[in-house]
Amino acid sequence: QSVLTQPPSVSAAPGQKVTISCSGSSSNIGNNYVSWYQQLPGTAPKLLIYENNKRPSGTPDRFSGSKSGTSATLGITGLQTGDEADYYCGTWDSSLSAVVFGGGTKLTVL
Amino acid sequence: EVQLVESGGGLVQPGGSLRLSCAASGFSFSSYSMNWVRQAPGKGLEWVSSISYSGSYIFYAESVKGRFTMSRDNAQNSLYLQMNSLRAEDTAVYYCARAGDGSRLDIWGQGTMVTVSS
Repeated sequence: QSVLTQPPSVSAAPGQKVTISCSGSSSNIGNNYVSWYQQLPGTAPKLLIYENNKRPSGTPDRFSGSKSGTSATLGITGLQTGDEADYYCGTWDSSLSAVVFGGGTKLTVL
Repeated sequence: EVQLVESGGGLVQPGGSLRLSCAASGFSFSSYSMNWVRQAPGKGLEWVSSISYSGSYIFYAESVKGRFTMSRDNAQNSLYLQMNSLRAEDTAVYYCARAGDGSRLDIWGQGTMVTVSS
């Protein structure tokens, strides 16, 4: 069981918008920054969003992040088939003294 | 180019040991905390261990505490994970990842596969 909770899968058509939720608690999301990672099939994870809503250079502005209380959300607009991947949220858990991840969400672009 | 390259994975019997290495290049290795993250076949990401930039502070997941030891050699720009008493459930791809500000893991290696099986 992951400390952070994500839906196992989401899907949408090309060009549409999708959101992926990540739910935690006060010891992790509630008091620490959230990051999002994209893992394309057969590759290593890549940082997509950091500090809740910032994009590293190279992340298209179609990707956005937000946080409210003990939950975070990743938004993707203008979906492309190349966005099909697994997406993970992650943060530090102050009670566990550990990095924690969500279980991952598989995005399918129909 | 900023890069992390893992090595040392392979097939090992239950109860055996293995030492993973991660070679860093393209950045000031001694200025960053580092992490090991693993991914079992078909499963999600699981954090394994973190080490501060100086090596003074090390944290472990409960699942590996007492069996795995993380260390670093800043002079050699290298990170290590000594894995003892290996179990079948330790079978995974092991990634090393650089920790940026705000607990983000901003650079990842390509991973090295560890298989624990008789």
